[in-house]
Amino acid sequence: QSVLTQPPSVSGAPGQRVTISCTGSSSNIGAGYDVHWYQQFPGTAPKLLIYVNSNRPSGVPDRFSGSKSDTSASLAISGLQAEDEADYYCQSYDSSLSVYVFGTGTKVTVL
Amino acid sequence: QLQLQESGPGLVKPSETLSLTCSVSGGSISRSSNHWAWFRQPPGKGLEWVGSVYYSGSTYYNPSLESRVTISVDTSKNQFSLKLVSVTAADTAVYYCARHTGSSWFYNCFDPWGQGALVTVSS
Repeated sequence: QSVLTQPPSVSGAPGQRVTISCTGSSSNIGAGYDVHWYQQFPGTAPKLLIYVNSNRPSGVPDRFSGSKSDTSASLAISGLQAEDEADYYCQSYDSSLSVYVFGTGTKVTVL
Repeated sequence: QLQLQESGPGLVKPSETLSLTCSVSGGSISRSSNHWAWFRQPPGKGLEWVGSVYYSGSTYYNPSLESRVTISVDTSKNQFSLKLVSVTAADTAVYYCARHTGSSWFYNCFDPWGQGALVTVSS
């Protein structure tokens, strides 16, 4: 039930900046619902990375930043590090489906 | 520090019932104003919200699963549980429990999460 679309993969060299898009519609992001981002390493649970569009929980490096505009949102990782290799998911709420929805997921590879 | 941990059988036969429990430590389910949620993630695929429960017992389900899902809470044990009936191979997934966080239902995110429990549906 992935109604939020993300690129399957993004990659970058150490130190570079990468961005991950999350495209929704008028019933989720475009309706004003907040977007949150999670980081997931293989075999582990998702970890909250960004909440309410652009806020970082305690302990999350400021290399991670989020933004939201119209029907989409973005996660940016600046100063990419090897430890950032993981899957990233956006999440919001959809009023037409009456469910919390997740993005399709993006695998970040550090070259 | 709040911690959640899933437990339950890792193998369920087709047409039978999947049952999982999420034990909460480091905080009380009944003293919090939060909801508590279940998610699942099929192998190699994305995340799906299954449903949620409030400490009072109020429940909210994903409409796509509502006919087969029951989520309940046991405040005396500081646990909440998931039951999914009539399972098929399509229900094979890692099941996670998590706490709702945020100002209101529609704007909630989820933190923290349990470590996850792999449930395989197979005869």
